[in-house]
Amino acid sequence: DAGVTQSPTHLIKTRGQQVTLRCSPISGHKSVSWYQQVLGQGPQFIFQYYEKEERGRGNFPDRFSARQFPNYSSELNVNALLLGDSALYLCASSSGTRLETQYFGPGTRLLVL
Amino acid sequence: SQQGEEDPQALSIQEGENATMNCSYKTSINNLQWYRQNSGRGLVHLILIRSNEREKHSGRLRVTLDTSKKSSSLLITASRAADTASYFCATDYGQNFVFGPGTRLSVLP
Repeated sequence: DAGVTQSPTHLIKTRGQQVTLRCSPISGHKSVSWYQQVLGQGPQFIFQYYEKEERGRGNFPDRFSARQFPNYSSELNVNALLLGDSALYLCASSSGTRLETQYFGPGTRLLVL
Repeated sequence: SQQGEEDPQALSIQEGENATMNCSYKTSINNLQWYRQNSGRGLVHLILIRSNEREKHSGRLRVTLDTSKKSSSLLITASRAADTASYFCATDYGQNFVFGPGTRLSVLP
């Protein structure tokens, strides 16, 4: 089975633009979580979605939003990009509602100029 | 902030030696997990220990949890060059999930 996939792998945007990142979970997994990892730091939790409903939210501004589709894939949207949004964005899937064993994708590296 | 701390920030050892990393957290947790990350890419789940467990083993990994001290440790025995990576503890607070800043482990051949 394929692991968690994310697209695109790399992205360059300018300040003020909007970006959409995509994630496909492992087949059969209904939970998708998003994380932001700034260089040299640990990942920071942004959202968890389970069965298309938001189950958890980290301390991120409203410029960050996400949704989950009926096939359990997910999109993360970031509006009005700031330089500080430059980071590796990681998606993880898990089978249940609890954030237990999570399987991570390779990430999308976003650079905001 | 609920974010835990890990120490050391960086660790360099010789192949065959043991590596110990520590993690502290601040409030009650459901479970604590350890992850490995190679070269700034995706993370790999290593081991999960629940709040009512004190010790867990998986291959060359041994994890302990002391809820009274709000701390955990990860021991990698007989390290190999392939163990070179960043190691993160992560705590499940229910609707929030918090990673520590990580320990960068270098295993020298």
